[in-house]
Amino acid sequence: GEDVEQSLFLSVREGDSSVINCTYTDSSSTYLYWYKQEPGAGLQLLTYIFSNMDMKQDQRLTVLLNKKDKHLSLRIADTQTGDSAIYFCAERTSGGSYIPTFGRGTSLIVHP
Amino acid sequence: EPEVTQTPSHQVTQMGQEVILRCVPISNHLYFYWYRQILGQKVEFLVSFYNNEISEKSEIFDDQFSVERPDGSNFTLKIRSTKLEDSAMYFCASSSLADTQYFGPGTRLTVL
Repeated sequence: GEDVEQSLFLSVREGDSSVINCTYTDSSSTYLYWYKQEPGAGLQLLTYIFSNMDMKQDQRLTVLLNKKDKHLSLRIADTQTGDSAIYFCAERTSGGSYIPTFGRGTSLIVHP
Repeated sequence: EPEVTQTPSHQVTQMGQEVILRCVPISNHLYFYWYRQILGQKVEFLVSFYNNEISEKSEIFDDQFSVERPDGSNFTLKIRSTKLEDSAMYFCASSSLADTQYFGPGTRLTVL
């Protein structure tokens, strides 16, 4: 079955860039998502990318997709303490089930 | 901004007891979902619900689980006889189409 893997923790200094990485196994993945979960809150959709794209930029967020290696990354520029959260990578295919497969989440810790 | 709400935020129960987890999806959404996340593990899909019936369910969603939309606003997950391994965060989500899902803050279920 499909699998999505992420590293569990990332610690960065405020003002630096953060890069959160994700790998997936389903070569037919069409949609790839990044969700953010702040303490006590639900999963908030941050951004997504279609598999026919290599990159998507949205303000401080840059998503890079290497479809050949099945590798997805989320770069946060000028990381702030408010970016501290758990970031979930997820993927799904375009047909059949609309249910995404999630990774375990990466805890991003931003310290001064 | 409309949001998905869940109650209670934390539920403690004895093994073998029945629990009902409640969710209020976003009002004009038509698709509803339950997920769970056991501590340290991945977010796992349980069930999706559309047009007053289950549209998809995972292997986890066995006979101990049921879902209901008792009125026009609530969406509930019932676990008939809880087991220790049911301890997890349970997330409700909703979507207007079978696409972008909006998540609630979760209910932490602790089975003793």
